[in-house]
Amino acid sequence: KAGVTQTPRYLIKTRGQQVTLSCSPISGHRSVSWYQQTPGQGLQFLFEYFSETQRNKGNFPGRFSGRQFSNSRSEMNVSTLELGDSALYLCASSLGGEAAEAFFGQGTRLTVV
Amino acid sequence: GQSLEQPSEVTAVEGAIVQINCTYQTSGFYGLSWYQQHDGGAPTFLSYNALDGLEETGRFSSFLSRSDSYGYLLLQELQMKDSASYFCVGGDAGKSTFGDGTTLTVKP
Repeated sequence: KAGVTQTPRYLIKTRGQQVTLSCSPISGHRSVSWYQQTPGQGLQFLFEYFSETQRNKGNFPGRFSGRQFSNSRSEMNVSTLELGDSALYLCASSLGGEAAEAFFGQGTRLTVV
Repeated sequence: GQSLEQPSEVTAVEGAIVQINCTYQTSGFYGLSWYQQHDGGAPTFLSYNALDGLEETGRFSSFLSRSDSYGYLLLQELQMKDSASYFCVGGDAGKSTFGDGTTLTVKP
């Protein structure tokens, strides 16, 4: 079966702009989680969506938002980009509930200049 | 919240056994997972311990002791391809707290 697909793979944006990242989970998976990975901070949890509802949220400012569609595809939006937002953004899909295993996409490498 | 601590780097030789420890402080702890991430790649799931004890999957084993808030990942018969970062992770797949990762370097 197809894995988790994230688009685009690479993105360069200017400070102050906004960006939207997309994640298509594995078919049948209803949970999509987003993470930010940077060399200094490691993998940080952003939020999780399950059946179109945000179920969990990490400690990120309101500039970071997301949504999930009825087909479980998810988008993440970052507004008013800052240099510090440069990172690898990973999404992971899982069945939901207390499933232990998450499947990660290859990520979107965002560079803010 | 949760926090997980693991060593930042470990080096071992091909064929050896290496243990990567993880201690955690957490509320609402579900279980401990381990993920592997190669440079430039996505994290991939290795194992999950919901209960105390040892879980074995091929060359990899993972252990959890809830009373000690401690777990470890044991890698046996190390191969060069095992050089990667290893993360211990607390929580379920929906909301996971990652440790900072241990970079394993396997030398010939």
